[in-house]
Amino acid sequence: KAGVTQTPRYLIKTRGQQVTLSCSPISGHRSVSWYQQTPGQGLQFLFEYFSETQRNKGNFPGRFSGRQFSNSRSEMNVSTLELGDSALYLCASSSPDRATNEKLFFGSGTQLSVL
Amino acid sequence: AQKITQTQPGMFVQEKEAVTLDCTYDTSDPSYGLFWYKQPSSGEMIFLIYQGSYDQQNATEGRYSLNFQKARKSANLVISASQLGDSAMYFCAMREGWRGYQKVTFGTGTKLQVIP
Repeated sequence: KAGVTQTPRYLIKTRGQQVTLSCSPISGHRSVSWYQQTPGQGLQFLFEYFSETQRNKGNFPGRFSGRQFSNSRSEMNVSTLELGDSALYLCASSSPDRATNEKLFFGSGTQLSVL
Repeated sequence: AQKITQTQPGMFVQEKEAVTLDCTYDTSDPSYGLFWYKQPSSGEMIFLIYQGSYDQQNATEGRYSLNFQKARKSANLVISASQLGDSAMYFCAMREGWRGYQKVTFGTGTKLQVIP
């Protein structure tokens, strides 16, 4: 079974641009969440999607948005990029099985650099 | 107040020795889950162990065990028989509210280095 796949692995953008990151969860997983990891702030929750609906959101500005498609794949968009958006963006998915749904499976992340 | 506190920024352990990584948490929610994740230099987060707030026994997963002391609000990770491959960042995390929801708060992490 393939793991959580995030694309692209690396991305370089300039201030003011926008970016879209993609996440394909493990087959059968319907919950997908996104995290931002920076040396200064650590790992911070961005948002969570379940069956195409956002069911939790972290404390990030509206420039950060996401969506989930019917096949559970998710995208995250950041508009009007700022230098402080440079980070590793991690996506995670979990199984709908109650016995194991607490276990998050993470992708390798997208390293975003804003110049 | 910090919801998850890891007071050890870095630790060293001799290969084959046991090591304890500290974690304290703060929540008023009676239903919560506690996790430990490992992050090697490659960046991927790897699930190690989970403890639910209502679980009576401490969780164990192979060489990993979670020392859950509910009254003290601590959830320390114990790694027995350390291996060189255990060198990584270790994060303690907490999920509050509904089980299965993915809104998880992470601690700042502990960098563990295993010495041959």
